[in-house]
Amino acid sequence: AQSVTQLGSHVSVSEGALVLLRCNYSSSVPPYLFWYVQYPNQGLQLLLKYTTGATLVKGINGFEAEFKKSETSFHLTKPSAHMSDAAEYFCAVSDGNTGKLIFGQGTTLQVKP
Amino acid sequence: GAGVSQTPSNKVTEKGKYVELRCDPISGHTALYWYRQSLGQGPEFLIYFQGTGAADDSGLPNDRFFAVRPEGSVSTLKIQRTERGDSAVYLCASSLNRELFFGEGSRLTVL
Repeated sequence: AQSVTQLGSHVSVSEGALVLLRCNYSSSVPPYLFWYVQYPNQGLQLLLKYTTGATLVKGINGFEAEFKKSETSFHLTKPSAHMSDAAEYFCAVSDGNTGKLIFGQGTTLQVKP
Repeated sequence: GAGVSQTPSNKVTEKGKYVELRCDPISGHTALYWYRQSLGQGPEFLIYFQGTGAADDSGLPNDRFFAVRPEGSVSTLKIQRTERGDSAVYLCASSLNRELFFGEGSRLTVL
C-alpha cells in the first residue's frame, strides 16, 4: 500500500523568500513521486516528477524537489517566491506500474507582498 | 483539442437524480483515470481503465457509482440516486506512459 502525508495544510511566505513544502511518503515498492499544482478553478498541472536516477529533480517555474529514500521524503522547494506561485500544491506517489496516483491532502501556498 | 476534455464543467442536480459525467482523453492515451476531489481535500482515486476494461475500480465508494469506456476512448462516470455527499469536483486524467494529464474537472452539486 502507498500513502502520502503533506505536513502543513497552509504555508505563508513573503515574496522573494524561500518556499519549502513538505511531503513524506510510504510505499512497499520503489516509488514514483510527483508534485502537482492547482490554481483556482483549474485542473492539476504537473510541476515535476521523480521516477529513477538523479534524486534532485528540477521542474517548471523554478521549482525543484529531492528524493531522500532514507527519510521517505520528497520536499518541494523554490529559492524565491513570486506572487504567481500562490496556489494549492499536491504531492503524489505511484507504484510506477499502473500510473495510479495516491495524493496527499494538499498544501495551500500564500505569498505575501 | 489537445488536452483532456470534461463535460459538463458544472452540474447541479437534486438528491436522488441520476448523473452522467463525460471524459474525452488525449488522443492515443490508453489509460484513463477518474478521481473525486472534495473541498479542501486531495484528489481521491475512483477507477482506472486500461483500454476498454476497468483495471482497478477499488476506489468506487459504493454500487451507485459506475464507469464505462466502451471503445477505449471516451469514458462516462455514472452516479445513480445522487446524495448530497456526492457533491465534489470529478477529475479525469489520461496517460500514455504513466504520466497523467488532468482535465479541468466537472463540478457536481447535489441539492
